[in-house]
Amino acid sequence: GESVGLHLPTLSVQEGDNSIINCAYSNSASDYFIWYKQESGKGPQFIIDIRSNMDKRQGQRVTVLLNKTVKHLSLQIAATQPGDSAVYFCAENPLSGAGSYQLTFGKGTKLSVIP
Amino acid sequence: DSGVTQTPKHLITATGQRVTLRCSPRSGDLSVYWYQQSLDQGLQFLIQYYNGEERAKGNILERFSAQQFPDLHSELNLSSLELGDSALYFCASSVDVRDGGELFFGEGSRLTVL
Repeated sequence: GESVGLHLPTLSVQEGDNSIINCAYSNSASDYFIWYKQESGKGPQFIIDIRSNMDKRQGQRVTVLLNKTVKHLSLQIAATQPGDSAVYFCAENPLSGAGSYQLTFGKGTKLSVIP
Repeated sequence: DSGVTQTPKHLITATGQRVTLRCSPRSGDLSVYWYQQSLDQGLQFLIQYYNGEERAKGNILERFSAQQFPDLHSELNLSSLELGDSALYFCASSVDVRDGGELFFGEGSRLTVL
């Protein structure tokens, strides 16, 4: 079936460098995408979202890029800090017009920041 | 702190037993969602309630059921437990999605079935 997946299971970056986490999705009906951060022992925490009518959205130190042509989503973290170490999930909501967050999550990428 | 409260945080039980997980949504949120996170399946949507009524159903087994009470707290009931039901169960809440807004997750209930 259709699903959201991640290219890399682990990513190690030096503190201060930029991080890029990638995600491929296959459900062309999805029109809402979210990145979540999950720290050890905690629930997923919203980072940033983007709707399909956009190709870029920026937050504080984070940018999400959406390429609908190749069904690719990425999360860029600028000046990565040790507190950014976590597992990052992309998620899609194929039914965003139905009043429901039936999110399909990717498997996750573990980001480790090297001090 | 997301504002979503889940109890218990940890639960160990035996196969064949039944457990109830409880969730209190953020103040003012009418929608409650249940997700299961396991090592092999990742995060899977189980079910959603909105203002006391079931709104959407995902990959929820027939042995599992949920409800949302008038005070908006929700319970997830897991029965005839199997080893494979061992997982983290997350509750999340949101305002009505039609108005936008994000999904806030609790810290989860870790269920271990022995």
